[in-house]
Amino acid sequence: SAVISQKPSRDICQRGTSLTIQCQVDSQVTMMFWYRQQPGQSLTLIATANQGSEATYESGFVIDKFPISRPNLTFSTLTVSNMSPEDSSIYLCSVGDRGYNEKLFFGSGTQLSVL
Amino acid sequence: AQKVTQAQTEISVVEKEDVTLDCVYETRDTTYYLFWYKQPPSGELVFLIRRNSFDEQNEISGRYSWNFQKSTSSFNFTITASQVVDSAVYFCALILNSGGSNYKLTFGKGTLLTVNP
Repeated sequence: SAVISQKPSRDICQRGTSLTIQCQVDSQVTMMFWYRQQPGQSLTLIATANQGSEATYESGFVIDKFPISRPNLTFSTLTVSNMSPEDSSIYLCSVGDRGYNEKLFFGSGTQLSVL
Repeated sequence: AQKVTQAQTEISVVEKEDVTLDCVYETRDTTYYLFWYKQPPSGELVFLIRRNSFDEQNEISGRYSWNFQKSTSSFNFTITASQVVDSAVYFCALILNSGGSNYKLTFGKGTLLTVNP
């Protein structure tokens, strides 16, 4: 199984600022995803981080708000831009082991609170 | 579009009791994969099981067992002799295998299990 390190584990931010979350995997993986879990809710896919090209965003999520980078097969970042209290959530990085329908592992998450 | 329903929002049991978490799914695809994840209070998601739509055999792993029934579109999860460490939110999820970009996990809303000593 892949070992996923996600940083920071938690942060408290001011309205209007931006936060970049890092996801590092201990092995090369085909697929990397970013999910959001709002308080008391289930997980929602934000986007797929594509290596060497622009991320693929789900309905309701846009690049200006959630820019994503994936410079190689082991690393990705998600930036939450111009934050508001509504962005307070857990953000989770997920990776596909050997294809999108194999075991999908998750990082430990970033607990974000926006004041 | 696919959907996963976990009708039980919260369950509370006493240690050593058996408990079953229900999961019902909807999809028009014939090929799909079902997952269960555990989210303890620390927040990370722990992979428990992946089952493909062609494999209806029940699975047992220690105190955990899963009952997959295509006829009722259900993939229920049973914990036998529950322990306090089993306290967590459990998510059922579905992913399609229709190729291309169908990689999105559709999650249920989760069931909060509390095991009391």
